Amino acid sequence: SQTIHQWPATLVQPVGSPLSLECTVEGTSNPNLYWYRQAAGRGLQLLFYSVGIGQISSEVPQNLSASRPQDRQFILSSKKLLLSDSGFYLCAWSLDHRYTDTQYFGPGTRLTVL
Amino acid sequence: KQEVTQIPAALSVPEGENLVLNCSFTDSAIYNLQWFRQDPGKGLTSLLLIQSSQREQTSGRLNASLDKSSGRSTLYIAASQPGDSATYLCAVRPTGDYKLSFGAGTTVTVRA
Repeated sequence: SQTIHQWPATLVQPVGSPLSLECTVEGTSNPNLYWYRQAAGRGLQLLFYSVGIGQISSEVPQNLSASRPQDRQFILSSKKLLLSDSGFYLCAWSLDHRYTDTQYFGPGTRLTVL
Repeated sequence: KQEVTQIPAALSVPEGENLVLNCSFTDSAIYNLQWFRQDPGKGLTSLLLIQSSQREQTSGRLNASLDKSSGRSTLYIAASQPGDSATYLCAVRPTGDYKLSFGAGTTVTVRA
């Protein structure tokens, strides 16, 4: 069966510090991978998605970046965090481009920027 | 741009009562609609996925309907239990895309 991992589970960082969140998927090959951010009381906002190694698409302008160094590994990074980067970050995967497929979500990372 | 709205934002019911959660979307050109459950501080769990050609999907006590032309979906949870307490989110996948547009969710509390 497929599983998705995210770490760390929680993170408190000062403004201006770097960030690295990691997501890995097990039990499947060549998944589509997604990074979402969820702010309190709001829906999920898609930040990045990837259809293959080294292929990253950004949905919104921001000071975050994403990388996919391996087929089942997706990393969210920042060189300098802003207060507005605080939120709940969720990684998700789906099997392929088929429009009828569902997305499967990881447990999330709670990021607080002080 | 697809806008997804969920009403009400919060709902509190006594145990045993049926739950009705509403989701509306502005663009009817969708491939599917999904309902997710999110427990506090946790990730999302997929509950039901309705294809654009379908009218409803059922899983146990859950039933979701879809009226694509009017841009509406309803999630019914029969005989609610305290364990059903969570936030329920709906998401639509637009035609020609695989990105999901999410609503803000309905937070449900089932009182024992």
